[in-house]
Amino acid sequence: DGGITQSPKYLFRKEGQNVTLSCEQNLNHDAMYWYRQDPGQGLRLIYYSQIVNDFQKGDIAEGYSVSREKKESFPLTVTSAQKNPTAFYLCASSIDLLAGELFFGEGSRLTVL
Amino acid sequence: KQEVTQIPAALSVPEGENLVLNCSFTDSAIYNLQWFRQDPGKGLTSLLLIQSSQREQTSGRLNASLDKSSGRSTLYIAASQPGDSATYLCAVRPRGYNFNKFYFGSGTKLNVKP
Repeated sequence: DGGITQSPKYLFRKEGQNVTLSCEQNLNHDAMYWYRQDPGQGLRLIYYSQIVNDFQKGDIAEGYSVSREKKESFPLTVTSAQKNPTAFYLCASSIDLLAGELFFGEGSRLTVL
Repeated sequence: KQEVTQIPAALSVPEGENLVLNCSFTDSAIYNLQWFRQDPGKGLTSLLLIQSSQREQTSGRLNASLDKSSGRSTLYIAASQPGDSATYLCAVRPRGYNFNKFYFGSGTKLNVKP
């Protein structure tokens, strides 16, 4: 079945540690996205990528980094520079056409201890 | 800058009732509008996608309408069921160089009581 797989589902981190969230899609989509969701707030864009080896900062990129070495994969690293990393992280993808539908993974919940 | 608003933030209805969820946006220059459902602790599931040239889309008991000129979309749910309880979010895809930056509302949390 085609879809977006995020792992791990739950992750605990000590302060000062970097962690990497995985996102893999087999939908053959060009565009991929990372969003952060906090209680009572809408989704906020962290980074997005339209093609391999290219990515753009979103609205809240500080303290995060990404790579896009393969079309299927778009990992997100939450660095120790991110001041408030506890959140629900969602990966999404779309065909890079102007009218393309957005599809989401099941999310990863990161908790900083 | 595009802003997307969903009112009310929460809604509780008895089972069987027909209901309407609202989504408004400030900039009518959009490519499409998408409605999603989110269950607690889960990702977003796409329900309906309306292109800017369309007025409505239907899927089963769901019907979504789009009025670009007034900056409004509604999601109509017929004969609601307890299984429809979830948070419903809308998102718009803007025209222009930012076409890959979707704008989301904060959602309406729906509770359908048995």
